[in-house]
Amino acid sequence: NAGVTQTPKFQVLKTGQSMTLQCAQDMNHEYMSWYRQDPGMGLRLIHYSVGAGITDQGEVPNGYNVSRSTTEDFPLRLLSAAPSQTSVYFCASSDAGTGSTDTQYFGPGTRLTVL
Amino acid sequence: ILNVEQSPQSLHVQEGDSTNFTCSFPSSNFYALHWYRWETAKSPEALFVMTLNGDEKKKGRISATLNTKEGYSYLYIKGSQPEDSATYLCAFSIHYGQNFVFGPGTRLSVLP
Repeated sequence: NAGVTQTPKFQVLKTGQSMTLQCAQDMNHEYMSWYRQDPGMGLRLIHYSVGAGITDQGEVPNGYNVSRSTTEDFPLRLLSAAPSQTSVYFCASSDAGTGSTDTQYFGPGTRLTVL
Repeated sequence: ILNVEQSPQSLHVQEGDSTNFTCSFPSSNFYALHWYRWETAKSPEALFVMTLNGDEKKKGRISATLNTKEGYSYLYIKGSQPEDSATYLCAFSIHYGQNFVFGPGTRLSVLP
């Protein structure tokens, strides 16, 4: 199993550009989520999904859209990039609903810089 | 908004020292408390998941305890080694597999 994969690893955007961060998992996890990591602030939840076709907002959803058309994929879209969105983005999935561990497995991260 | 706090923010210890740090979380509507180890340039990796008051978990030289009534968890590292250097995150959830709230982390540096 590849686990949780993210692409790209690095990206530089100009203010106003749009892009999609890809996330995929091959563990058949129902729960997937996107976090951003900023210095001194830990991981903050952007959006999450409890299954295909179901998404919801986390703590910092503004400026981001998500969709979940399949169990495997959970892309994060930046509609109009702003310098405040410069961050490291982590995707995670969890086996919630199948056992008691509900541990989240993280992807390698995408480092995004918005100029 | 649920708030999870961790202390200290950073910690420097000598190789061989034992150390511990704290995670504080809201005690109401508790479901689970997670500890993750996060090495620089890597992804967070799960250490422990604890759900019951009084839970104690151990993995090698690392152990954790949980007090859900007062809303805190301790992580202990016995005989710290340089490879233990990392940021240790705790995360709190009130629902099964949903809405993890992470603390800011404790950055541990173990000096040889």
